[in-house]
Amino acid sequence: EIVLTQSPGTLSLSPGEGASLSCRAGQRGAGNSLAWYQQKPGQAPRLLIYAATNRATGIPDRFSGSGSGTDFTLTISRVEPGDVAVYYCHQYGSTPLTFGGGTKLEIK
Amino acid sequence: QVQLQESGPGLVKPSETLSLTCTVSTDSMSGFYWGWVRQSPDKRLEWIAYMYSSGYTNYNPSLKSRLTLELDTSKSQLSLSLTSVTAADTAVYFCARFLAAKGFDYWGQGTLVTVSS
Repeated sequence: EIVLTQSPGTLSLSPGEGASLSCRAGQRGAGNSLAWYQQKPGQAPRLLIYAATNRATGIPDRFSGSGSGTDFTLTISRVEPGDVAVYYCHQYGSTPLTFGGGTKLEIK
Repeated sequence: QVQLQESGPGLVKPSETLSLTCTVSTDSMSGFYWGWVRQSPDKRLEWIAYMYSSGYTNYNPSLKSRLTLELDTSKSQLSLSLTSVTAADTAVYFCARFLAAKGFDYWGQGTLVTVSS
């Protein structure tokens, strides 16, 4: 099983600042089958990024994904109050599919 | 636009069977994978299983011995049965569409299932 470790656990930023969220896989095997989701309170996760670097339909270009192998990053440029959420990474290239523990984004 | 809606009892007794249904609003379920993900009270997400419209099924090994998925494309419904539940199965259960190239792209709103006597 591929364990995904996300850091930091919580990120507190002021509006307009940039955010960098990390996801590290415990082993190779998923290829670049890495997705990022945004989950706001009381809602289902929403797909932001797939295949490590591709934005899903309707996702603003402030959100970008990078990385390969075992190290992946979600970057949010110019954070806004509406970005308050928990962000999860997810590998879907190797079964069992697994999720990271999440990074909580707070806005000061 | 694809919409998914989970339904089922919100409370299940320990050792009993948890049964949920996901109704999908779409032109057709054919040609896609449909699956389940759950979120425990500590907010951790866990993949349960997915099923292709042909009937091929992939289960999480940690749950496989207790799981059954069924797909009724004529009713646009995916069902889940989880036997011998314990408190550890308490979670919000989401159904979602799975794409091999993208992950889970459409999700239901989720349904809370509590296992308690």
